[in-house]
Amino acid sequence: SQQGEEDPQALSIQEGENATMNCSYKTSINNLQWYRQNSGRGLVHLILIRSNEREKHSGRLRVTLDTSKKSSSLLITASRAADTASYFCATEDTGRRALTFGSGTRLQVQP
Amino acid sequence: DGGITQSPKYLFRKEGQNVTLSCEQNLNHDAMYWYRQDPGQGLRLIYYSQIVNDFQKGDIAEGYSVSREKKESFPLTVTSAQKNPTAFYLCASTSGTSLGETQYFGPGTRLLVL
Repeated sequence: SQQGEEDPQALSIQEGENATMNCSYKTSINNLQWYRQNSGRGLVHLILIRSNEREKHSGRLRVTLDTSKKSSSLLITASRAADTASYFCATEDTGRRALTFGSGTRLQVQP
Repeated sequence: DGGITQSPKYLFRKEGQNVTLSCEQNLNHDAMYWYRQDPGQGLRLIYYSQIVNDFQKGDIAEGYSVSREKKESFPLTVTSAQKNPTAFYLCASTSGTSLGETQYFGPGTRLLVL
């Protein structure tokens, strides 16, 4: 099962613009994480937000979490061509010690 | 150089054949995971192991088997019962000591059916 559904499925922007991706999930969670995947590669961890946190920043990344709506957003500011990748949210459910991934957003940043 | 290695990078399976994908980590992590990724999709959990000699089924375990005889190794066998095995397989690990840990991923193995 895929816990998270991400929106949009694909996003194309110009360099310098901001990119916003959204993730919705279904069950109670301990935390929510965002990962990045370059084409044909493994995933790389970007940022984690715990269920008792509402917002977190890391460099050009800003993540929000609304547990009442079971949703999260990832904002990448001042995007660069090198940000082109797929981005996935993943939740660690209260019921098991494993992540459940969303379907991903494919981001294309045009130089 | 610490990390997770997966081999081979590409693997071809014939009809009715079992194949084994290798995953090794030198991060001294207790927990290891196997995921399947289909084109344009997210990752789905196949099996995971929190400790040596113990593992649990994930969401799509049918047609797969695993073993965890050593802390650093978590091989995945794709059996002939898996009728649609063509996918990208990713292995990951965490230290397993607490909630909210980063998963470290290997580079993946792409399995194709001949």
